[in-house]
Amino acid sequence: AQRVTQPEKLLSVFKGAPVELKCNYSYSGSPELFWYVQYSRQRLQLLLRHISRESIKGFTADLNKGETSFHLKKPFAQEEDSAMYYCAFLTGRRALTFGSGTRLQVQP
Amino acid sequence: DVKVTQSSRYLVKRTGEKVFLECVQDMDHENMFWYRQDPGLGLRLIYFSYDVKMKEKGDIPEGYSVSREKKERFSLILESASTNQTSMYLCASSFREGDEQFFGPGTRLTVL
Repeated sequence: AQRVTQPEKLLSVFKGAPVELKCNYSYSGSPELFWYVQYSRQRLQLLLRHISRESIKGFTADLNKGETSFHLKKPFAQEEDSAMYYCAFLTGRRALTFGSGTRLQVQP
Repeated sequence: DVKVTQSSRYLVKRTGEKVFLECVQDMDHENMFWYRQDPGLGLRLIYFSYDVKMKEKGDIPEGYSVSREKKERFSLILESASTNQTSMYLCASSFREGDEQFFGPGTRLTVL
């Protein structure tokens, strides 16, 4: 089955600490992977996608085909990073499959 | 800026009622999507459409139907609302398959 797994419902870190939000996928082909973010009282929006290889707001994510992972990382968390983060992937179907989400809390 | 609007932010309906949720996008996007968002379950795809009058079932289509008569509008219909359809409903659109999806603000539906 094509699936995205985000094992942590909640991740709490202190400001300035490194952050890693985990995402594993189950798919035999080459998926296209995304991270979406929803800040409090805002719409869900794209954070980054693996094909662009960008760093957005200090976040990066590398596709590891051997481990079938696409973990989201940031070296120094900021309070404004507190949000709900969703990993998603696009397979042969035209629509995204989302994970269950991880809430990141960055404490002062 | 892409604008995706949804007809209501909050909606309260009774069991058995027929419910219409409307979504409109103003950027000539080909693809439109309906998701429901539930704590611990993330976003689950209900239906999507890649062209006018075209629709495809997502992962949880049971109890829902959709309509896309015009390119900019995608409607989600709950034929007979039930309490387990209480949820946040999100609409999204994208220009092409695989492109960034732009989301609406959501409709929080409560079925009593």
